[in-house]
Amino acid sequence: DSGVTQTPKHLITATGQRVTLRCSPRSGDLSVYWYQQSLDQGLQFLIQYYNGEERAKGNILERFSAQQFPDLHSELNLSSLELGDSALYFCASSVTPLAGGGGNEQFFGPGTRLTVL
Amino acid sequence: AQKITQTQPGMFVQEKEAVTLDCTYDTSDQSYGLFWYKQPSSGEMIFLIYQGSYDEQNATEGRYSLNFQKARKSANLVISASQLGDSAMYFCAMREGYGGSQGNLIFGKGTKLSVKP
Repeated sequence: DSGVTQTPKHLITATGQRVTLRCSPRSGDLSVYWYQQSLDQGLQFLIQYYNGEERAKGNILERFSAQQFPDLHSELNLSSLELGDSALYFCASSVTPLAGGGGNEQFFGPGTRLTVL
Repeated sequence: AQKITQTQPGMFVQEKEAVTLDCTYDTSDQSYGLFWYKQPSSGEMIFLIYQGSYDEQNATEGRYSLNFQKARKSANLVISASQLGDSAMYFCAMREGYGGSQGNLIFGKGTKLSVKP
């Protein structure tokens, strides 16, 4: 168990709908990352939050948005869903490493498997 | 642009033997981190091992070791004494920057390892 929790584990919805995926990082971790894993694109970075602020963006569609709350949990919102959005969505967390190393690992949650019908 | 290449889509190894999974990377940064993750059929991403670009010794974690050859830009994972439970997808990943509050991972396409009894 990595200590990162994600809910729900599975989500089945229809095209055009909106869903929210939730992530709670490991205790003490300030950074949250969202990744998408699909057969076509592999594992892709979507977005990172650090202590409540957006820090980096990857290949995230405009229909997708995220936020990190004061208690450090994060939500990924996916709207106007399309068939191609079906994927495994991972949240990962890490501490802020001190200069010179340490805390470099990113620990992944179990993922949310989204199926868009 | 940074890139991770895993040239072995699938590999077989006999139980109790050692196996090497290849990973090459491309980056213009002097400071970066290299990671290996295991993804069993259940889907979770399990952190295995980390190597920093300035680390002089190859990283080891139990039966896992990372054969880091900086000049060749390779970071191969060596699994000693393979076990049936090692059957999984293995992903090599890179993060540019050493420490700091950014640090999303770039992943390779993965290698599917099958351990034969």
